[in-house]
Amino acid sequence: DAMVIQNPRYQVTQFGKPVTLSCSQTLNHNVMYWYQQKSSQAPKLLFHYYDKDFNNEADTPDNFQSRRPNTSFCFLDIRSPGLGDAAMYLCATSRDPSVQETQYFGPGTRLLVL
Amino acid sequence: AQKITQTQPGMFVQEKEAVTLDCTYDTSDPSYGLFWYKQPSSGEMIFLIYQGSYDQQNATEGRYSLNFQKARKSANLVISASQLGDSAMYFCALEIQGAQKLVFGQGTRLTINP
Repeated sequence: DAMVIQNPRYQVTQFGKPVTLSCSQTLNHNVMYWYQQKSSQAPKLLFHYYDKDFNNEADTPDNFQSRRPNTSFCFLDIRSPGLGDAAMYLCATSRDPSVQETQYFGPGTRLLVL
Repeated sequence: AQKITQTQPGMFVQEKEAVTLDCTYDTSDPSYGLFWYKQPSSGEMIFLIYQGSYDQQNATEGRYSLNFQKARKSANLVISASQLGDSAMYFCALEIQGAQKLVFGQGTRLTINP
């Protein structure tokens, strides 16, 4: 089945220790998104790629970076995680960024910062 | 600015009853899409139903239907014959043409009682 895969499902890191979360998709979608969702809150978009074009949200901290080496994979790098970065990180994809296109989400990675 | 409001933080419903989850939105853009997602405790965001701003008829997908009242800017989700497995967090989301991102409401936690 075509899907969005996120690894790992749970990630524990230490304060200040760089961490990378990964997302892959078999849908061959052009757009990949990264959302941060803190406990009991709505998901918040961090950035997205439309093909190779990177689009950062204005309020996304510099501590968060992303890479998309090919169509299938997208990575979220947190350079120096703080306690406030503990959250669920959701990857999503869509065929293109038009308003009619549904975003399909992966299962998420729960990040714990010690 | 675009905004989504879900006024029901939590709802409790008896199994097999119908339930309506409220969603109002605010945008001045004429072209937009409205989405409903279900998020179980596992964390994955599951797409349920979509309504486009120019759609003449209310969207339906199995037990899910969307009560779209454009003049009132509301897009309520109706779940018929609720099941125990419907217990989850439900998010309404708005996407503006060309914005390339979803704006989520704060969500409604639905609990189905046996």
